[in-house]
Amino acid sequence: QSALTQPRSVSGSPGQSVTISCTGTSSDVGGYNYVSWYQQHPGKAPKLMIYDVSKRPSGVPDRFSGSKSGHTASLTISGLQAEDETDYYCCSYAGSYTWVFGGGTKLTVL
Amino acid sequence: QVQLQESGPGLVKPSETLSLTCTVSGGSVSSGTFYWSWIRQPPGKGLECIGYIYYSGSANYNPSLKSRVTISVDTSKNHFSLKLNSVTAADTAVYFCARVGDDAFDTWGQGTVVTVSS
Repeated sequence: QSALTQPRSVSGSPGQSVTISCTGTSSDVGGYNYVSWYQQHPGKAPKLMIYDVSKRPSGVPDRFSGSKSGHTASLTISGLQAEDETDYYCCSYAGSYTWVFGGGTKLTVL
Repeated sequence: QVQLQESGPGLVKPSETLSLTCTVSGGSVSSGTFYWSWIRQPPGKGLECIGYIYYSGSANYNPSLKSRVTISVDTSKNHFSLKLNSVTAADTAVYFCARVGDDAFDTWGQGTVVTVSS
C-alpha cells in the first residue's frame, strides 16, 4: 500500500484557479469512486472539502471542486483567496477495508 | 454537532505501549451509520490511516501496522481507543481520531501529540 502521489507544491494568484493532482493505481483511485480531499492549516486538524470524488459537504464553498480520470483525481480551487493558502491531502479507499492518503500539497497564493 | 476529543499520555518510552482514547460528544459511537478511526501524522509529514472500528467491535487495520495495533470501542462510555505496542521513535506523531461517514473522514478531533522517547 503506497501513498498516493501529489505535487509537493502549487501556486496561483488571487482570483485565479489552481488544480492539485492525486495519482494512484487501479487498486485505489482508479478502482473506486471514494476519493476525498482535505484542507489542513498549520497546527490544525484536517477538514473534509470533497468526498466521493466530487461531492462537497455542507458549508464548503463551491469554489472547491473535484474530479477523476482514470487513476488520477484532481482538486480545483477557483477564485483563489489568501485564506486558501495551506496544505491539501487526497485520500482514497484502497480495497480490503483500507484507506491511503497522498503525501500532501502546499498551496501558495502569490 | 458531533465532536471528538483525543486523550492520553504525550510521552511514551521506546518498546512500551501507546494508549489513546477518543471521546465522542454530540453523537453516539453506537450509530450504525459511521465507523470510527485513528489517523496519525509524523512531524512535517503526511497523514496515515491506522485503522477504524464499527460499534459492533469489528475493526480493520493498516497492513503496515496490523501486528502492533488494537482499536476497541466502549459504547457505554461513548468512546473508542487505540493501543500501539512496541513503539519506536518512528511512532512519534500527532494522533487524530476521526469519524468515517460518506466514504470519507468527515469529522476530526483536534489531535494529540505523542512523542516516543526515553
